[in-house]
Amino acid sequence: GQQVMQIPQYQHVQEGEDFTTYCNSSTTLSNIQWYKQRPGGHPVFLIQLVKSGEVKKQKRLTFQFGEAKKNSSLHITATQTTDVGTYFCAGLNAGGTSYGKLTFGQGTILTVHP
Amino acid sequence: EAQVTQNPRYLITVTGKKLTVTCSQNMNHEYMSWYRQDPGLGLRQIYYSMNVEVTDKGDVPEGYKVSRKEKRNFPLILESPSPNQTSLYFCASSFRGFSGANVLTFGAGSRLTVL
Repeated sequence: GQQVMQIPQYQHVQEGEDFTTYCNSSTTLSNIQWYKQRPGGHPVFLIQLVKSGEVKKQKRLTFQFGEAKKNSSLHITATQTTDVGTYFCAGLNAGGTSYGKLTFGQGTILTVHP
Repeated sequence: EAQVTQNPRYLITVTGKKLTVTCSQNMNHEYMSWYRQDPGLGLRQIYYSMNVEVTDKGDVPEGYKVSRKEKRNFPLILESPSPNQTSLYFCASSFRGFSGANVLTFGAGSRLTVL
């Protein structure tokens, strides 16, 4: 079945440093979503990418969708303590037996040291 | 306020004692889903429902049951809970299950401990 691998599992940064998490799917995706979960909270939708090679920005956050629609990344510039949490990617399978199934990566836990 | 409501938020129970975690959404969403979250494993889908009376297995359905008799409710049933079902559970819903407009809204989570 479809697998979505996310790395790294943990990332510790100093405030002001950049952060990147990567997501790779074993199958082609129709779209990919990113969610953020604050400590003790629930996942909250950040953004959805649909087009091959798409790049979207939200302030200090940059999201990319690969040309082959099998990988994605989230980059945070100049991290702040408010960025702490777990970042999940979630891929929607483009076809096959898993059509329409949204599969989450394992998540990257980000800690930011002031 | 548009939301997904789960109950109970916290529960400690014993092996074999049937329990139900309720989930209700007020957004008229067709799609609903249950996930469990365990350290290092991310969010794994248990069951999902495309609409009333339509349910399907996710990645880890063993030991769980669901029903979708009304659009707004999607309860998760553990007929005979076991310690390996100790986890954090999330219910989520979306408007349209597939093809783009399937952004998930999550409930606050239910932390279940089975002794």
